[in-house]
Amino acid sequence: DAGITQSPRHKVTETGTPVTLRCHQTENHRYMYWYRQDPGHGLRLIHYSYGVKDTDKGEVSDGYSVSRSKTEDFLLTLESATSSQTSVYFCAISAGSSGYQETQYFGPGTRLLVL
Amino acid sequence: SQQGEEDPQALSIQEGENATMNCSYKTSINNLQWYRQNSGRGLVHLILIRSNEREKHSGRLRVTLDTSKKSSSLLITASRAADTASYFCATDDNAGNMLTFGGGTRLMVKP
Repeated sequence: DAGITQSPRHKVTETGTPVTLRCHQTENHRYMYWYRQDPGHGLRLIHYSYGVKDTDKGEVSDGYSVSRSKTEDFLLTLESATSSQTSVYFCAISAGSSGYQETQYFGPGTRLLVL
Repeated sequence: SQQGEEDPQALSIQEGENATMNCSYKTSINNLQWYRQNSGRGLVHLILIRSNEREKHSGRLRVTLDTSKKSSSLLITASRAADTASYFCATDDNAGNMLTFGGGTRLMVKP
């Protein structure tokens, strides 16, 4: 497995509370991604980063923010969790190249339940 | 919206049979990738085919790409119970910054 860890692996929280998920890589890859996976929707991109402090929105970014202060860490924050954000969250990394996507390597996922 | 759409959504076969999954997409791509996901796990990359390639092989996997029809197929030959998983196609956007995944095909291989 590529050197990607996610923490926590499971979390139960209440509506309205802030939640931060962490993705850590040891591969020194340039690109990092946060996806959510829900039944019937496949994987949907939330945010991605193409370098330290360089981030951009994905398909379903509302209600989420990200930060990348170091190459190895990419944080996903739910400012005020809602029940619709109950999901499985996956982090992925990619070496990336200018102009096209290479293989992405996925972390083990974080199961988030918002009550 | 999903760039790639897999067909069928679910497939059940006997061990030893071949499994074929299809993916259709909407816009021009640089490459198309296939991933596998075992239950409760992250996705694992299987194969990447570039837009100027028509067919690619990797072990028991065969992928075809028809850019004129905006479609791809993944063939798993001589399937095994261990091939039971969900399979996703993914395409990149024109800028190459991200992948868009389809909804997946759930494959069950019965022993």
